Amino acid sequence: DVVLTQTPPTLSATIGQSVSISCRSSQSLLHSNGNTYLNWLLQRPGQPPQLLIYLVSRLESGVPNRFSGSGSGTDFTLKISGVEAEDLGVYYCVQSTHAPYTFGAGTKLELK
Amino acid sequence: QVQLTESGPGLVHPSETLSLTCTVSGFSLTGYSVYWVRQPSGKGLEWMGRMRYNGDTSYNSALKSRLSISRDTSKNQVFLKMNSLQTDDTGTYYCTRAGVDWGQGVMVTVSS
Repeated sequence: DVVLTQTPPTLSATIGQSVSISCRSSQSLLHSNGNTYLNWLLQRPGQPPQLLIYLVSRLESGVPNRFSGSGSGTDFTLKISGVEAEDLGVYYCVQSTHAPYTFGAGTKLELK
Repeated sequence: QVQLTESGPGLVHPSETLSLTCTVSGFSLTGYSVYWVRQPSGKGLEWMGRMRYNGDTSYNSALKSRLSISRDTSKNQVFLKMNSLQTDDTGTYYCTRAGVDWGQGVMVTVSS
């Protein structure tokens, strides 16, 4: 199974600060159809996860453009350009290129 | 409007079988895949398995021997059955439309 390693496990930020989260895969997530099925989710406390980014860098409808995703192959990054209070929670990367699908362990974003 | 609603017993005894139902609306089960994802309290997300739009299934390797996912397209429902439950199966169980739309989740406690 594909292992996704997220770093850091915890991130402390001030409002307005820009932060990045890394997600590294144990194998390439490039599908034979040319797509890379790597998504980013945010789970706020007491809520189900919410899709932020799909196919590495595509912003889900309604998600603020301070969120951006990049990467290829095995290395991926989520960047938040100017953290806002509503961004606090746990971020997960998830791959659906190789079955069974797998999640990263999560990165908790908290206020400094 | 896409909606997913999980239902099932809140309490299951050790060694018994868990049966959950995901009732969907706003999309067709023959057009989209539905995943089951679980989350032990205070921990990360775990992908359990998938009912693909064409009826194919795929399972988490660690759960494969205990887990079964099926569907009734006429009732817009996807089912999860997992046997031999233990206390570490306690947590919140979610169904999601291909990781995009999520139900609110159902809390399952395994206890005698």
